[in-house]
Amino acid sequence: ETGVTQSPTHLIKTRGQQVTLRCSSQSGHNTVSWYQQALGQGPQFIFQYYREEENGRGNFPPRFSGLQFPNYSSELNVNALELDDSALYLCASSFIARPNTEAFFGQGTRLTVV
Amino acid sequence: KQEVTQIPAALSVPEGENLVLNCSFTDSAIYNLQWFRQDPGKGLTSLLLIQSSQREQTSGRLNASLDKSSGRSTLYIAASQPGDSATYLCAVRPEGNTPLVFGKGTRLSVIA
Repeated sequence: ETGVTQSPTHLIKTRGQQVTLRCSSQSGHNTVSWYQQALGQGPQFIFQYYREEENGRGNFPPRFSGLQFPNYSSELNVNALELDDSALYLCASSFIARPNTEAFFGQGTRLTVV
Repeated sequence: KQEVTQIPAALSVPEGENLVLNCSFTDSAIYNLQWFRQDPGKGLTSLLLIQSSQREQTSGRLNASLDKSSGRSTLYIAASQPGDSATYLCAVRPEGNTPLVFGKGTRLSVIA
């Protein structure tokens, strides 16, 4: 079991609503990355945060935004939810000075948009 | 743009069989490669990480190999057990601190 925890584990939202997902990173890790995994697909990179700033972003629209806090925990916010946003959202933590060490993932948040 | 492919998409084997899962990537210039296990509806569990300078890594019944020049990695599972049933994902890191690029995974079923 990793030290990365995500909340909530499951969530149901209506199209057009906004949602906030949370992630606590593993102790000693200062970088948090978020991924979206649609059913039957591999995870797709959304963005990464280091020192409370976004320092990398995948091909996702601006309605996907995030925050990182001084304790390295992070939030993923999605505005104007669409049906295609239904997916498993995964958070991964790592230490930026050691890219050759493993990334550890949380258990994910299953978001369903109806 | 780096792309990762995993073949087969699904595999069913009897208990006790040795098996190999395949991963290929289009750009051989990678920083490292990581194999993960994912149980249904759950997060990812890291199994093995191979640095670009390494040829293989072993952990228990698992052995992962890396051939950068041909853009391939394999995950060998010895003496498979029903508890090994899961989806196995391969991911490459193109450069230090760049995000992981994942394949779609191989869904493994080990039948008792």
